[in-house]
Amino acid sequence: NAGVTQTPKFRILKIGQSMTLQCTQDMNHNYMYWYRQDPGMGLKLIYYSVGAGITDKGEVPNGYNVSRSTTEDFPLRLELAAPSQTSVYFCASSYSKGDTRNTIYFGEGSWLTVV
Amino acid sequence: RKEVEQDPGPFNVPEGATVAFNCTYSNSASQSFFWYRQDCRKEPKLLMSVYSSGNEDGRFTAQLNRASQYISLLIRDSKLSDSATYLCVVSLSSNDYKLSFGAGTTVTVRA
Repeated sequence: NAGVTQTPKFRILKIGQSMTLQCTQDMNHNYMYWYRQDPGMGLKLIYYSVGAGITDKGEVPNGYNVSRSTTEDFPLRLELAAPSQTSVYFCASSYSKGDTRNTIYFGEGSWLTVV
Repeated sequence: RKEVEQDPGPFNVPEGATVAFNCTYSNSASQSFFWYRQDCRKEPKLLMSVYSSGNEDGRFTAQLNRASQYISLLIRDSKLSDSATYLCVVSLSSNDYKLSFGAGTTVTVRA
């Protein structure tokens, strides 16, 4: 039962470097999301996608980019990493909208530190 | 004002005790409500959805109070394995893709 798989689990970046967080799901879910979780804060939506070829900004999209070329994959790109991007990143997916009928499944998280 | 607010706790309770905590939400148009559980350094997982009439799932009971704009979670007969952070999650409507997450309430059950 793979579910939502994201890599890497841990990464240290230097300021100004770029990297891509990979996310793939094998549940044939249409909806995919990227969240970040800072200590003592709720999860914040960075970007989401309702299907292949369609992406949209969430609450905190600045400094990030995404693409959705296939149903399965939803990579998150960090350009010019900044210390404010130090966080835990969660990729998630759901069959449909995140309402009571459609559970959101999360990946295990990626711990990113920018120094 | 935050969209979803929770008492961070921690709530330290002995095994077998009952513990309850609330979550308030700011948008009166909110339609869907959930409790997620997050273990230390793990991903959130759905614990239960919250329905208008309230609902139970084993030892867990969730209630919704629309008039006062809060939801609650009650855990009966606490187990050590219930130690976790419980996230309150709210969405504006069934057409909304953007869930609002509370920062979580930490519960620690001691032997």
